[in-house]
Amino acid sequence: QVQLKESGPGLVQPSRTLSLTCTVSGFSLTSYGVSWVRQPPGKGLEWIAAIWSGGSTDYNSALKSRLSISRDTSKSQVLLKMNSLQTEDTAMYFCAREGPGSSGYFDYWGQGVMVTVSS
Amino acid sequence: DIQMTQSPTSLAASVGESVTITCLASEDIYGSLVWYQQKPGKSPQLLIYGATILEDGIPSRFSGSGSDTQYSLKINSLQPEDFASYYCQNGLSTPYTFGAGTKLELK
Repeated sequence: QVQLKESGPGLVQPSRTLSLTCTVSGFSLTSYGVSWVRQPPGKGLEWIAAIWSGGSTDYNSALKSRLSISRDTSKSQVLLKMNSLQTEDTAMYFCAREGPGSSGYFDYWGQGVMVTVSS
Repeated sequence: DIQMTQSPTSLAASVGESVTITCLASEDIYGSLVWYQQKPGKSPQLLIYGATILEDGIPSRFSGSGSDTQYSLKINSLQPEDFASYYCQNGLSTPYTFGAGTKLELK
């Protein structure tokens, strides 16, 4: 069955770089796009970045200068790096699979990984 | 970026009642509207895509409607498990944007 699982450090110091990994199973990264979506505590959802099935990438323009998304298809992993972390980046970070054919909706989500930015 | 304005922010209802949540896009999204349900401590769950298409396994008491810039989610005969937060999402183009959410609470 389709599964996504996020991993990464729970605590990151301000100004440092965050590295998150989304490990997927039950589908191929060359057939489906995967996005990262975050949710600050008690707040709403924010789309961060995507890597499409063909390998091209897309970013939230407000965060683009700090982001990098990539994938390792041999490991079925999508990687997100965000630099210059600030306290406002404290959030639950989810990876999610986009439905078939660049559908614009997310049909499977990981459980999320909580990232706290604090010294 | 396409802005998604969702209302109400919160809503109190009783089991068995029907409720409607609305979502207004800042421009025509041609029916590419998505609804999710999120329970505390859980990841969002896809309910409806393409404004009206019910995801597999979602009960038929959930329905979506709308076009152009105006969309709505209706839940008929509320069940205890329906009390949660609901989000709409622009599925037309990136950056994918979400409404601020509606918290549905038990009256």
